[in-house]
Amino acid sequence: AQSVTQLDSQVPVFEEAPVELRCNYSSSVSVYLFWYVQYPNQGLQLLLKYLSGSTLVKSINGFEAEFNKSQTSFHLRKPSVHISDTAEYFCAVTKTYSGGYNKLIFGAGTRLAVHP
Amino acid sequence: EAQVTQNPRYLITVTGKKLTVTCSQNMNHEYMSWYRQDPGLGLRQIYYSMNVEATDKGDVPEGYKVSRKEKRNFPLILESPSPNQTSLYFCASSLSSTGAQRYEQYFGPGTRLTVT
Repeated sequence: AQSVTQLDSQVPVFEEAPVELRCNYSSSVSVYLFWYVQYPNQGLQLLLKYLSGSTLVKSINGFEAEFNKSQTSFHLRKPSVHISDTAEYFCAVTKTYSGGYNKLIFGAGTRLAVHP
Repeated sequence: EAQVTQNPRYLITVTGKKLTVTCSQNMNHEYMSWYRQDPGLGLRQIYYSMNVEATDKGDVPEGYKVSRKEKRNFPLILESPSPNQTSLYFCASSLSSTGAQRYEQYFGPGTRLTVT
């Protein structure tokens, strides 16, 4: 069973508009949650993370995500996007396997396209 | 500069011709991992290494081999490549093999492999 679901494969948006990229995870996984960003022709970079504590986490470039345990979601939001935010965004969660080993599981990705 | 490097960045080869993709990190990281990225599937882990001489299978290890003789290097070997191994490959590393640090991964720029 898939552990991470990114509900939108592509999200087109105009510059300066708000955006939300949705991520849901199955309740069987552990609750370390991450968003990674992949700019064109580059590797992935960690954007933000939830490990514990405050359920609202923020990145240095204006993105934020909120861990919602009851809805098993970790949606990524930005109130006003820039052209430079055009990238693919991956939600990732840790999953505990038998024997106690944890692994990072990635969603299929959401391609954010910001238009002028 | 702290980084993960991969070589080559692009490779076109024929079925059955052995190849190696190199990965090196200069951050003294314990944990290293190989992923493949395919459209609609996100990133899937091929192999990982908790430390020198400690490697284990990920989710899609068939057709691949790895070794970790030195802490900084983690090459990916395809003994007899097949067309279904055409993909974008990423090497990643993280500071520690334990705790939440394992999931804060630094990615290389990727290797695009085409097997004809």
